[in-house]
Amino acid sequence: RKEVEQDPGPFNVPEGATVAFNCTYSNSASQSFFWYRQDCRKEPKLLMSVYSSGNEDGRFTAQLNRASQYISLLIRDSKLSDSATYLCVFGWMDSSYKLIFGSGTRLLVRP
Amino acid sequence: GAVVSQHPSRVICKSGTSVKIECRSLDFQATTMFWYRQFPKKSLMLMATSNEGSKATYEQGVEKDKFLINHASLTLSTLTVTSAHPEDSSFYICSAKRTNSYEQYFGPGTRLTVT
Repeated sequence: RKEVEQDPGPFNVPEGATVAFNCTYSNSASQSFFWYRQDCRKEPKLLMSVYSSGNEDGRFTAQLNRASQYISLLIRDSKLSDSATYLCVFGWMDSSYKLIFGSGTRLLVRP
Repeated sequence: GAVVSQHPSRVICKSGTSVKIECRSLDFQATTMFWYRQFPKKSLMLMATSNEGSKATYEQGVEKDKFLINHASLTLSTLTVTSAHPEDSSFYICSAKRTNSYEQYFGPGTRLTVT
Protein backbone atom coordinates (compact mmCIF):
# COMPACT_ATOMS: atom_id res chain seq x y z
CA ARG A 1 0.00 0.00 0.00
CA LYS A 2 1.29 3.43 -0.91
CA GLU A 3 2.10 5.78 1.94
CA VAL A 4 -0.13 8.46 0.49
CA GLU A 5 -2.99 7.85 -1.92
CA GLN A 6 -4.83 10.44 -3.93
CA ASP A 7 -7.30 10.26 -6.78
CA PRO A 8 -5.27 11.57 -9.74
CA GLY A 9 -8.33 13.11 -11.37
CA PRO A 10 -8.64 15.22 -13.35
CA PHE A 11 -11.56 16.91 -11.70
CA ASN A 12 -13.14 19.07 -14.37
CA VAL A 13 -15.50 21.64 -12.85
CA PRO A 14 -17.13 24.90 -13.95
CA GLU A 15 -16.16 28.20 -12.46
CA GLY A 16 -17.98 28.80 -9.20
CA ALA A 17 -18.33 25.14 -8.34
CA THR A 18 -17.37 23.57 -5.05
CA VAL A 19 -14.93 20.69 -5.27
CA ALA A 20 -13.45 18.40 -2.64
CA PHE A 21 -10.41 16.15 -2.62
CA ASN A 22 -9.54 13.41 -0.19
CA CYS A 23 -6.20 11.87 0.57
CA THR A 24 -5.50 8.79 2.66
CA TYR A 25 -2.27 8.02 4.44
CA SER A 26 -1.05 4.73 5.80
CA ASN A 27 1.37 5.77 8.53
CA SER A 28 -0.55 6.45 11.70
CA ALA A 29 2.54 8.07 13.21
CA SER A 30 2.29 10.98 10.79
CA GLN A 31 1.84 14.15 12.72
CA SER A 32 1.91 17.06 10.33
CA PHE A 33 -0.26 17.46 7.28
CA PHE A 34 -0.29 19.90 4.43
CA TRP A 35 -1.84 20.66 1.10
CA TYR A 36 0.52 21.96 -1.56
CA ARG A 37 -0.36 23.28 -4.97
CA GLN A 38 1.79 22.58 -8.00
CA ASP A 39 1.34 24.27 -11.35
CA CYS A 40 2.54 22.57 -14.51
CA ARG A 41 6.35 22.33 -14.64
CA LYS A 42 6.71 24.45 -11.51
CA GLU A 43 7.75 23.81 -7.95
CA PRO A 44 5.13 22.98 -5.28
CA LYS A 45 3.91 25.83 -3.12
CA LEU A 46 2.37 25.48 0.30
CA LEU A 47 -1.37 26.06 0.18
CA MET A 48 -2.21 25.38 3.80
CA SER A 49 -1.36 23.29 6.79
CA VAL A 50 -4.06 20.94 8.08
CA TYR A 51 -4.94 21.01 11.74
CA SER A 52 -6.87 18.47 13.77
CA SER A 53 -9.71 20.89 14.40
CA GLY A 54 -9.99 21.75 10.73
CA ASN A 55 -9.03 25.10 9.31
CA GLU A 56 -10.17 27.55 6.72
CA ASP A 57 -8.33 30.06 4.58
CA GLY A 58 -10.67 32.07 2.40
CA ARG A 59 -12.28 29.70 -0.08
CA PHE A 60 -10.20 26.75 1.10
CA THR A 61 -11.10 24.45 3.97
CA ALA A 62 -8.94 21.59 5.18
CA GLN A 63 -9.97 18.76 7.46
CA LEU A 64 -8.09 15.95 9.18
CA ASN A 65 -9.64 12.67 10.24
CA ARG A 66 -7.05 10.75 12.25
CA ALA A 67 -9.32 7.81 12.99
CA SER A 68 -9.85 7.11 9.31
CA GLN A 69 -6.42 8.42 8.33
CA TYR A 70 -7.41 10.91 5.70
CA ILE A 71 -7.27 14.60 5.04
CA SER A 72 -9.52 16.61 2.78
CA LEU A 73 -9.46 19.88 0.92
CA LEU A 74 -12.61 21.77 -0.03
CA ILE A 75 -12.48 24.59 -2.55
CA ARG A 76 -15.52 26.83 -2.76
CA ASP A 77 -16.40 29.19 -5.60
CA SER A 78 -13.71 27.76 -7.89
CA LYS A 79 -11.72 30.22 -9.98
CA LEU A 80 -9.97 29.56 -13.27
CA SER A 81 -6.72 30.25 -11.43
CA ASP A 82 -7.38 27.31 -9.12
CA SER A 83 -6.53 24.94 -11.98
CA ALA A 84 -3.47 23.08 -10.76
CA THR A 85 -2.40 19.83 -9.16
CA TYR A 86 -3.06 19.58 -5.45
CA LEU A 87 -0.58 17.54 -3.46
CA CYS A 88 -1.36 15.88 -0.17
CA VAL A 89 1.71 15.95 2.05
CA PHE A 90 2.46 14.58 5.46
CA GLY A 91 5.45 14.59 7.73
CA TRP A 92 6.82 13.49 11.04
CA MET A 93 7.44 15.83 13.89
CA ASP A 94 10.86 14.42 14.59
CA SER A 95 14.35 15.55 13.80
CA SER A 96 14.18 14.34 10.21
CA TYR A 97 11.56 16.92 9.16
CA LYS A 98 10.86 14.71 6.15
CA LEU A 99 7.81 15.28 4.01
CA ILE A 100 6.07 12.56 2.01
CA PHE A 101 4.19 13.72 -1.06
CA GLY A 102 1.18 12.22 -2.73
CA SER A 103 1.15 12.10 -6.51
CA GLY A 104 -1.47 14.80 -6.65
CA THR A 105 -5.01 15.43 -7.80
CA ARG A 106 -5.39 17.48 -10.93
CA LEU A 107 -8.08 20.16 -10.98
CA LEU A 108 -9.31 21.85 -14.14
CA VAL A 109 -11.68 24.76 -13.72
CA ARG A 110 -13.44 25.69 -16.94
CA PRO A 111 -15.15 29.00 -17.79
CA GLY B 1 7.59 33.65 2.40
CA ALA B 2 11.24 32.75 2.14
CA VAL B 3 13.03 32.67 -1.19
CA VAL B 4 14.98 29.72 -2.51
CA SER B 5 16.74 29.81 -5.85
CA GLN B 6 18.08 27.04 -8.03
CA HIS B 7 20.58 27.19 -10.82
CA PRO B 8 20.45 26.26 -13.60
CA SER B 9 16.74 26.13 -14.32
CA ARG B 10 17.30 23.92 -17.30
CA VAL B 11 20.27 21.89 -18.48
CA ILE B 12 20.93 19.51 -21.32
CA CYS B 13 24.01 17.35 -21.12
CA LYS B 14 25.53 14.39 -22.85
CA SER B 15 25.52 10.93 -21.41
CA GLY B 16 28.57 10.32 -19.22
CA THR B 17 29.08 13.91 -18.15
CA SER B 18 28.43 15.39 -14.71
CA VAL B 19 26.02 18.17 -13.87
CA LYS B 20 26.00 20.38 -10.78
CA ILE B 21 22.82 21.99 -9.51
CA GLU B 22 22.92 24.75 -6.91
CA CYS B 23 20.27 25.50 -4.33
CA ARG B 24 20.45 28.75 -2.38
CA SER B 25 18.32 30.17 0.40
CA LEU B 26 18.37 33.88 -0.34
CA ASP B 27 16.96 35.48 2.77
CA PHE B 28 17.41 33.00 5.59
CA GLN B 29 19.88 30.49 6.90
CA ALA B 30 18.97 26.92 6.12
CA THR B 31 20.53 24.31 8.33
CA THR B 32 18.68 21.62 6.38
CA MET B 33 17.97 21.35 2.69
CA PHE B 34 16.25 18.56 0.84
CA TRP B 35 16.68 17.26 -2.69
CA TYR B 36 13.74 15.77 -4.56
CA ARG B 37 13.24 14.28 -7.98
CA GLN B 38 9.99 14.28 -9.90
CA PHE B 39 9.18 12.28 -13.01
CA PRO B 40 6.27 13.37 -15.24
CA LYS B 41 2.89 12.90 -13.58
CA LYS B 42 4.52 11.36 -10.53
CA SER B 43 4.96 12.58 -6.99
CA LEU B 44 8.04 14.25 -5.63
CA MET B 45 10.43 11.65 -4.33
CA LEU B 46 12.83 12.63 -1.59
CA MET B 47 16.37 11.76 -2.61
CA ALA B 48 18.38 13.03 0.32
CA THR B 49 18.51 15.36 3.27
CA SER B 50 21.39 17.78 3.27
CA ASN B 51 22.66 19.12 6.58
CA GLU B 52 25.09 21.98 6.75
CA GLY B 53 28.53 20.81 7.79
CA SER B 54 27.78 17.10 7.77
CA LYS B 55 27.21 14.27 5.35
CA ALA B 56 23.92 14.04 3.55
CA THR B 57 21.42 11.35 4.46
CA TYR B 58 20.25 9.44 1.41
CA GLU B 59 16.92 7.69 0.99
CA GLN B 60 16.83 4.01 0.25
CA GLY B 61 17.65 3.26 -3.35
CA VAL B 62 19.47 6.55 -4.02
CA GLU B 63 23.14 6.06 -4.84
CA LYS B 64 25.27 8.46 -2.86
CA ASP B 65 28.19 8.11 -5.25
CA LYS B 66 25.99 9.01 -8.19
CA PHE B 67 24.23 11.94 -6.58
CA LEU B 68 26.86 13.90 -4.67
CA ILE B 69 25.53 16.43 -2.21
CA ASN B 70 27.53 19.18 -0.58
CA HIS B 71 26.06 21.61 1.96
CA ALA B 72 29.06 23.80 2.65
CA SER B 73 27.30 26.85 4.01
CA LEU B 74 24.02 27.83 5.61
CA THR B 75 22.74 29.20 2.33
CA LEU B 76 24.04 26.79 -0.30
CA SER B 77 23.64 23.12 -1.10
CA THR B 78 24.76 21.50 -4.34
CA LEU B 79 23.70 18.30 -6.04
CA THR B 80 26.05 16.81 -8.61
CA VAL B 81 24.70 14.13 -10.90
CA THR B 82 27.80 12.17 -11.87
CA SER B 83 28.15 10.19 -15.08
CA ALA B 84 24.65 11.12 -16.10
CA HIS B 85 22.53 8.73 -18.14
CA PRO B 86 19.28 9.33 -20.01
CA GLU B 87 17.32 7.71 -17.18
CA ASP B 88 18.58 10.50 -14.89
CA SER B 89 16.55 12.97 -16.95
CA SER B 90 14.05 14.44 -14.51
CA PHE B 91 12.90 17.52 -12.65
CA TYR B 92 15.14 18.09 -9.62
CA ILE B 93 13.78 20.31 -6.88
CA CYS B 94 15.43 21.46 -3.69
CA SER B 95 13.83 22.85 -0.58
CA ALA B 96 15.17 24.60 2.46
CA LYS B 97 13.91 24.94 5.98
CA ARG B 98 14.71 27.22 8.84
CA THR B 99 15.97 25.82 12.09
CA ASN B 100 13.15 24.45 14.28
CA SER B 101 10.52 24.97 11.60
CA TYR B 102 8.71 22.30 9.63
CA GLU B 103 7.83 24.44 6.66
CA GLN B 104 9.92 23.79 3.57
CA TYR B 105 10.44 26.44 0.92
CA PHE B 106 10.96 25.07 -2.54
CA GLY B 107 13.27 26.22 -5.26
CA PRO B 108 11.91 26.60 -8.80
CA GLY B 109 13.45 23.32 -9.89
CA THR B 110 16.00 22.24 -12.47
CA ARG B 111 14.95 20.32 -15.54
CA LEU B 112 17.74 17.94 -16.53
CA THR B 113 17.79 16.27 -19.92
CA VAL B 114 20.54 13.76 -20.63
CA THR B 115 21.00 12.92 -24.29
